[in-house]
Order: sequence, then C-alpha cells, then structure tokens
Amino acid sequence: EDQVTQSPEALRLQEGESSSLNCSYTVSGLRGLFWYRQDPGKGPEFLFTLYSAGEEKEKERLKATLTKKESFLHITAPKPEDSATYLCAWSGAGSYQLTFGKGTKLSVIP
Amino acid sequence: NAGVTQTPKFQVLKTGQSMTLQCAQDMNHNSMYWYRQDPGMGLRLIYYSASEGTTDKGEVPNGYNVSRLNKREFSLRLESAAPSQTSVYFCASSGEEANQETQYFGPGTRLLVL
Repeated sequence: EDQVTQSPEALRLQEGESSSLNCSYTVSGLRGLFWYRQDPGKGPEFLFTLYSAGEEKEKERLKATLTKKESFLHITAPKPEDSATYLCAWSGAGSYQLTFGKGTKLSVIP
Repeated sequence: NAGVTQTPKFQVLKTGQSMTLQCAQDMNHNSMYWYRQDPGMGLRLIYYSASEGTTDKGEVPNGYNVSRLNKREFSLRLESAAPSQTSVYFCASSGEEANQETQYFGPGTRLLVL
C-alpha cells in the first residue's frame, strides 16, 4: 500500500537548536513530494514541492530534501514563530490528488 | 486576491440535520477538493473535482455529496448529519500553470454534530 510516514509525531526544540523532520514514503510511481505548514485553527500553507531524488529547496530557515525513500525538512536556528504542524504529502503518476501524512507538531521554546 | 474562501467558519448541527458547506476560489484553478481533518487521522480526501462539470469520490465519501457549481465554486452537502461527521473541513484548489498539482487551502469550517 502506498503511504507516507512522518516522524517524530512531536518535537520540542530550544530557539536556535537546529533539527530535521522526516517523511518516509513507500509509493510506487511518485510524482511529487509536498511539504505544508499548518498553524492551529488555520488551513495548511504550501511550502515546497520536490520531484526527483537529490532535489533541494530552501525558504528562510527551512530546507527540504528528497531521496529515493524519504524527504527531510531541515530547520536551521528555529524561532518560536516556526512552531506549527508540518505535513508532508505525495502525488502519484497521472493524478493531482495528494495523500497526506499525519504531521509533525513542532514547538520552539524561547 | 482572497484565494480560497469557505463559509461558514463554524457550525453546530443536531443529528439528522442537513447543511451545505460553501467553497469559492478566485485563482482560476481547474481542480477543487474537499478534505476532513480529524485528530490522529490527518487530512483525508472526501471528494474532488478535476475540472468544471466532473466530480469523483476520494477516500471517505460516504455521507457526503458535492456540487461543482461553476469553475469558482465547489460545495459539500451533508444530507443527514451524524456525530461521526464532527470534524474540520477544508476546501482546496489547484491548477497553476507552473505547478498544476500544488493545492491551496481555505481556512476551514469547524463542524460539531450533536
């Protein structure tokens, strides 16, 4: 069965303490791997799309990478405003549907 | 440019009542989606519309109906609400020229069924 698994479920970091979130996938025919950020009480906000192994994308303190088995969201020197739930999702060949993982809740403590 | 808008923001229903959740997008996107989000379950696709005039079932369609009213609007109807439909509902759209499958989400409708 095609699926994505996110780990850890929750992560607490001190402000400035860099870390990574993981999204491992077992998907045949992966078209794209997506990262979203979701703040409490709001809809998911698009961050990145990755299409091929070795691809990297950056936005401020966030960098997303993709291998043949997993994707990482690296957070460098996080700030309290980076606290949110981060979701990964995949799309398959021939479809624009996204299937989401359960998310990692990140808390950054001042 | 409002993006994706949803109404209402919050609704309380009694078991057996019906209601329609409204969604509109102003990005000229072809595809629109309805998801529900429950604690521990993540986002699950209810129905989607790949283009105006078409709709298809997603992962959890039972108990719901949809209407793609025009290119901008996609509504979700609960004919006879059940407590199991208590959830947060999100509408999304996709179809940018440069990135067809990236989905943009609305702010959500919080539904409580008593």
